[in-house]
Amino acid sequence: AQSVTQPDIHITVSEGASLELRCNYSYGATPYLFWYVQSPGQGLQLLLKYFSGDTLVQGIKGFEAEFKRSQSSFNLRKPSVHWSDAAEYFCAVAPNSGGYQKVTFGIGTKLQVIP
Amino acid sequence: DTAVSQTPKYLVTQMGNDKSIKCEQNLGHDTMYWYKQDSKKFLKIMFSYNNKELIINETVPNRFSPKSPDKAHLNLHINSLELGDSAVYFCASSPGTAVNEKLFFGSGTQLSVL
Repeated sequence: AQSVTQPDIHITVSEGASLELRCNYSYGATPYLFWYVQSPGQGLQLLLKYFSGDTLVQGIKGFEAEFKRSQSSFNLRKPSVHWSDAAEYFCAVAPNSGGYQKVTFGIGTKLQVIP
Repeated sequence: DTAVSQTPKYLVTQMGNDKSIKCEQNLGHDTMYWYKQDSKKFLKIMFSYNNKELIINETVPNRFSPKSPDKAHLNLHINSLELGDSAVYFCASSPGTAVNEKLFFGSGTQLSVL
């Protein structure tokens, strides 16, 4: 069975600073990988996903993530954080077949943005 | 227009009561889901329906009964509520059942069982 780890429960960055949120996964083959964002009082919204091909994936809101097979990682990055990026970010992993019952979500990283 | 809407947003109730949460999507999707997010933010799938048929049932107690009157609606009924049922419940939908289909989430129902 696959698993996903988000080592940082809480991160604080200054507005305008760069951001990297870490995600490590455990799976025997190349998985499907996702990043979701949850703003306060809202449901999760898909930021980006990796299925195959180019290991650097561009998403919405200026986010990108890089799949590194050798490190079993799929870290999320943004070059310059805006106050509106304050939210909870969830990494998820799934095998490359089957349905959503096989998607495993991490426990999230809460991002705080300070002026 | 809200794509996936669920009601109520907050639900506070006593142990032993029966309650329902409603969900509707106007995206024309075939597949709908219920997820539970516990106090530690751990998100886990509970049920999935595709064209009104149950396709995923993840070892959820049978006190939880989903009902899909049509493919745009997926309601969740909970009998004999327990303290451990306190969580945020999210409805979601996707065009199809494959894991590479994009999920659209509702804004959640925060259930508090006292």
